[in-house]
Amino acid sequence: DIQMTQSPSSLSASVGDRVTITCRASQGIGDSLAWYQQRPGKVPNLLIYAASTLQSGVPSRFSGRGSGTDFTLTISSLQPEDVATYYCQKYISAPFTFGPGTKVDIK
Amino acid sequence: EVQLVESGGGLVQPGGSLRLSCAASGFTLSTYAMTWVRQAPGEGLEWVSTISGSGDSGTYYAESVKGRFTISRDNSNNTLYLQMNSLRTEDTAVYSCAKDNREGPPRAFDVWGQGTMVTVSS
Repeated sequence: DIQMTQSPSSLSASVGDRVTITCRASQGIGDSLAWYQQRPGKVPNLLIYAASTLQSGVPSRFSGRGSGTDFTLTISSLQPEDVATYYCQKYISAPFTFGPGTKVDIK
Repeated sequence: EVQLVESGGGLVQPGGSLRLSCAASGFTLSTYAMTWVRQAPGEGLEWVSTISGSGDSGTYYAESVKGRFTISRDNSNNTLYLQMNSLRTEDTAVYSCAKDNREGPPRAFDVWGQGTMVTVSS
């Protein structure tokens, strides 16, 4: 099975900072990758699918890039409401594995 | 409004069974692939099972639940199910159902239910 890893596992940044999270697949998955945000105590929220397509209603400060095995999620200007854990997930084929998550805090 | 509401969770002894339900409203359940995801306390998201959308009722399972869990849906009631047998303590988690963001093969999940807690303990 294809394994998903994320780095860093956690980060702390200031409001307004540019933040980048990396997701890596153990084998190529094309662009079959989604990113989710899970705020504390809330259900996950789809941010990006097809590696770089912004889900409707998601602020434009979120962006995704990558294909094959290496992907990034970037928050161009971190806001207080962005405090959350971010997960990548592959869907090219089952199992539709999630990454372990990256916890983002405000410094 | 598109909505998913889970029910059926609770406390069960190891080796026991539970059936979870996910009532869908605002869309036709059969059109979309539907998925169960679980999250153990303090842990990350774990994909559990997916059933394909219309034209293809393929089912997929995580290795950790294969042979013990069965996903199904009742299109007439617009309800998704997860039958869980031979439950283990490590199955303890909040179980959420999620809807695919497009018709066709399983992709990303754009609508999630609030989840139902399953506790497996003696």
